[in-house]
Amino acid sequence: DAKTTQPPSMDCAEGRAANLPCNHSTISGNEYVYWYRQIHSQGPQYIIHGLKNNETNEMASLIITEDRKSSTLILPHATLRDTAVYYCIVRVDYGQNFVFGPGTRLSVLP
Amino acid sequence: DAMVIQNPRYQVTQFGKPVTLSCSQTLNHNVMYWYQQKSSQAPKLLFHYYDKDFNNEADTPDNFQSRRPNTSFCFLDIRSPGLGDAAMYLCATSGQLNTEAFFGQGTRLTVV
Repeated sequence: DAKTTQPPSMDCAEGRAANLPCNHSTISGNEYVYWYRQIHSQGPQYIIHGLKNNETNEMASLIITEDRKSSTLILPHATLRDTAVYYCIVRVDYGQNFVFGPGTRLSVLP
Repeated sequence: DAMVIQNPRYQVTQFGKPVTLSCSQTLNHNVMYWYQQKSSQAPKLLFHYYDKDFNNEADTPDNFQSRRPNTSFCFLDIRSPGLGDAAMYLCATSGQLNTEAFFGQGTRLTVV
């Protein structure tokens, strides 16, 4: 079973930051937080992952709370092409599977 | 360049007629996964290979089988497809510690 909870849907205005929350209150010390997104009819696309520290790459930033029970994915300047379902997954390192929860359907509005 | 390739992208099969979906990877990853994704649902893991070791999820029906003849290729066999097996089938790979999984574009299976 997925170990995360996310809001089922969110809207964001184009050009604004999209902040997608994820609750993982039962996360253990060696579990990483991964974010994927899936644009309609395509395979899931990796966005970012982290353990404790905040992470940033060319696509997004990941903010993990100090107690690690929740995190936020930030798309700094959302575009229409960021409309997708966003999945937050917790996973121990190598050897554990990627289990998807229902995700958040993000709609970026013009 | 595509790293996880699934063929075909679209497959139509007849009710009860065996069908095979294929996946290849250029990443030399140890682990290969198969997921089933039905309309408006999240991907659901069917099974995975860790090298040659096959790991079936407890609730995966016996109708679904898999083969991995070498590191690069993995196949999903559906022995007797039913209407309820119509879905997108996703293949993914992952490598060593703490790395992400890479997904193919999926094969959309229609059962008629």
